[in-house]
Amino acid sequence: AQSVTQPDIHITVSEGASLELRCNYSYGATPYLFWYVQSPGQGLQLLLKYFSGDTLVQGIKGFEAEFKRSQSSFNLRKPSVHWSDAAEYFCAASPSGYSTLTFGKGTMLLVSP
Amino acid sequence: ETGVTQSPTHLIKTRGQQVTLRCSSQSGHNTVSWYQQALGQGPQFIFQYYREEENGRGNFPPRFSGLQFPNYSSELNVNALELDDSALYLCASSLPGETEAFFGQGTRLTVV
Repeated sequence: AQSVTQPDIHITVSEGASLELRCNYSYGATPYLFWYVQSPGQGLQLLLKYFSGDTLVQGIKGFEAEFKRSQSSFNLRKPSVHWSDAAEYFCAASPSGYSTLTFGKGTMLLVSP
Repeated sequence: ETGVTQSPTHLIKTRGQQVTLRCSSQSGHNTVSWYQQALGQGPQFIFQYYREEENGRGNFPPRFSGLQFPNYSSELNVNALELDDSALYLCASSLPGETEAFFGQGTRLTVV
């Protein structure tokens, strides 16, 4: 079955430190991959997406993600975290990109001063 | 702001009742998807509508049903509400063949 796994439920990072959120997928073929962010009481905002080509993709708010086929991973990174980055982050995948997304359970990012 | 609006933002219903949630999609988007996000979980796909026809369904019982109107707005109806239906319901709109889905802020449904 198709699935997306985010191994970390919570992560705490000091403001200014670097961040990496992990995501692994299980699909028959390489799916379309996405990272979304959800602030409390809000909907989901797309940070970045990967379809093909360059395995390092740049997104909004200074985020980037690296696709690694050999590890079935699509990890999200940011070099320097800001307090406003505190939110829940969801990795998602779609077999064809037609908007039907399978989400991971999310990783809650806490930013300490 | 995505241009996708959902109403109401919060709702409390009693077990066994029926509920209708509404979504106004982004201008020009004729594909609408609905997701259920239980507390502490990622969103789960309920169904998708394209040009007023259901175009895919997730693992949800038939008491979850939907409609899409000619102006591409959409409704999610849930009959015979159960306590486990308490969740954030998200609507997402997109253009056909486009990979980016734009999400509304959601409707928080509480079943008591």
